[in-house]
Amino acid sequence: GNSVTQMEGPVTLSEEAFLTINCTYTATGYPSLFWYVQYPGEGLQLLLKATKADDKGSNKGFEATYRKETTSFHLEKGSVQVSDSAVYFCALSDRGSGTYKYIFGTGTRLKVLA
Amino acid sequence: EPEVTQTPSHQVTQMGQEVILRCVPISNHLYFYWYRQILGQKVEFLVSFYNNEISEKSEIFDDQFSVERPDGSNFTLKIRSTKLEDSAMYFCASSESASSYNSPLHFGNGTRLTVT
Repeated sequence: GNSVTQMEGPVTLSEEAFLTINCTYTATGYPSLFWYVQYPGEGLQLLLKATKADDKGSNKGFEATYRKETTSFHLEKGSVQVSDSAVYFCALSDRGSGTYKYIFGTGTRLKVLA
Repeated sequence: EPEVTQTPSHQVTQMGQEVILRCVPISNHLYFYWYRQILGQKVEFLVSFYNNEISEKSEIFDDQFSVERPDGSNFTLKIRSTKLEDSAMYFCASSESASSYNSPLHFGNGTRLTVT
């Protein structure tokens, strides 16, 4: 079945460091791919998405490119801030019997130190 | 910005008791979902709901679980007889359409259920 694998955390970085959180997927067909972020005490918020191969999703300085050849959707940011500390979830859409359901990775906790 | 709201934020119950988790989806959304996240594990799909019926459910969503849209605004998840392993964070989500291409899921802040 379809699945998502994320790098294990926690990831601890200094402010202004470069961030990469790896995500690879297994899917039949052509799923959409997503990154969601969960700040402390809050729900999951959509960070960015890509719906087909070679698409690049971007938001708030974060980027991820849908790589079909490597089945990857790695999240990157050039310069992280303390406010980026959160848990990041990679997800793919899986079309079930009529509605889409999302399959999530385990989440990667990011901690950014001032 | 409209948001999905969930109540309560934390529910503690004894094993064998019934619990109802409540959600108010975004008002113009038509598709509703429940997910759960056991501490330290993946966010798992439970059920999707559209047009007053279940569209799809996972193997986790057994006979102990039920969902309902009792009025025009609420969407509830009932666990009939809770077990210790039901302890988790439960997330409600809604979307405007069934297509993830055009309409991503909007999640609530979650209800933490603790079964003792």
